[in-house]
Formats: sequence, C-alpha cells, structure tokens
Amino acid sequence: AQSVTQLDSQVPVFEEAPVELRCNYSSSVSVYLFWYVQYPNQGLQLLLKYLSGSTLVKGINGFEAEFNKSQTSFHLRKPSVHISDTAEYFCAAVGNTDKLIFGTGTRLQVFP
Amino acid sequence: DTAVSQTPKYLVTQMGNDKSIKCEQNLGHDTMYWYKQDSKKFLKIMFSYNNKELIINETVPNRFSPKSPDKAHLNLHINSLELGDSAVYFCASSQDRGPTGDTQYFGPGTRLTVL
Repeated sequence: AQSVTQLDSQVPVFEEAPVELRCNYSSSVSVYLFWYVQYPNQGLQLLLKYLSGSTLVKGINGFEAEFNKSQTSFHLRKPSVHISDTAEYFCAAVGNTDKLIFGTGTRLQVFP
Repeated sequence: DTAVSQTPKYLVTQMGNDKSIKCEQNLGHDTMYWYKQDSKKFLKIMFSYNNKELIINETVPNRFSPKSPDKAHLNLHINSLELGDSAVYFCASSQDRGPTGDTQYFGPGTRLTVL
C-alpha cells in the first residue's frame, strides 16, 4: 500500500538550533514529494516540493529538503529555527491514483 | 485577496442535522478537492473535481455529497450528521489533475463540531 511515514510526532527544539523532520515514503508512490506547514488554526501552506532534478530542494522560510531515492526519504531541515516556526509539518507524496497522500504530521515546538 | 476561501470557518450543530460547507477559489484552477483532518491531525482526501467532473471519490459515506456548480466552486453537503463527522474540513485547488506534482493550495479550513 502507498504510504508516507513521519517517524516523529513531536520535535521540541530551542530557538536558533538546527532541526530535521524525517519523512519516508513507500517505493510504490511516485517521486513527487512535498512538505506542507500548518500554523495554528490555519490551512496548509506549501514549503517546498521535489519533482525531478537536483535532490536538494530549497523552500520558503529557510527550509530545505533532500530527496534520497536509495533510502526512500525526504527529510526536511533548517539550520536555525525561530519561535515563529512552531507549527505542524506534513510530508506528502503523489500516489499513482492521482491522490496526495499525507504523513501523520510532525509537531515542531520551538522554545526560547 | 484570498486564493481559496471556505465558509463557514466554524460550524457547530446537532446530530442528525444537514449542513453545507462552501468553497471558492479565485486562482483559475481546474481541479478542486475536499480533505478531512481528524482529531489526530491526519489528513485524507475525500473528493476531487476537475472542471466540474468528479474524478476522485474515496470511501466516504454517501451522506457526504460534493457539488460543483462551476469550476471555481466546490461545496460539500453532509446529511444526517454523526458524532464521527466532527473534524476540520479543508478545501484545496490545483491547476492540473493527475500525478504531475502540481501544487495544491489549501483553504483555511472549516471546523465542524457535531454535538
């Protein structure tokens, strides 16, 4: 079955520390991969996406992600987080049935 | 200008009632979607329409009926509401359909609470 797995349900970090949010996808899904962010009481906003080409993808707000085909991963990273990065982060992939399949989300909590 | 808008933002109702949620996009996109986000934040697609044609219909109770009067609008009508329908419902749109990797733009969500 097609699936996207986010291994960490919560990631607490201090402000200005680096962070990595992990995402793995099943090899049965296509390799169109996305990271979305959901701020409290808001809708989802696209951070970045990988369609093809360079495996390192840069997105908004200083985030980047690296597509690793051999490890079927698409981890999200930021070298220095801010309080304002506190949010829910969703990894997603396009499946072969035209559907966007989401992971279960990772809650990033940034502490001062 | 809001790209994808939904009304209402909050909806509290009694079991057994019928309610509708409206969605409009002003991006000129051809495809629109409805997603359900449960209490554990899990997001799952319910329906998608392309140019007013239903293209994805997940295993959703037939109490849920989407209606697309034109390609800029996709409304969700829910009959005989049940406690388990309580969730946040998100509308989204994209330019294309299919596994093209096209970005989906999400609305702000409608929090439905069934008492």
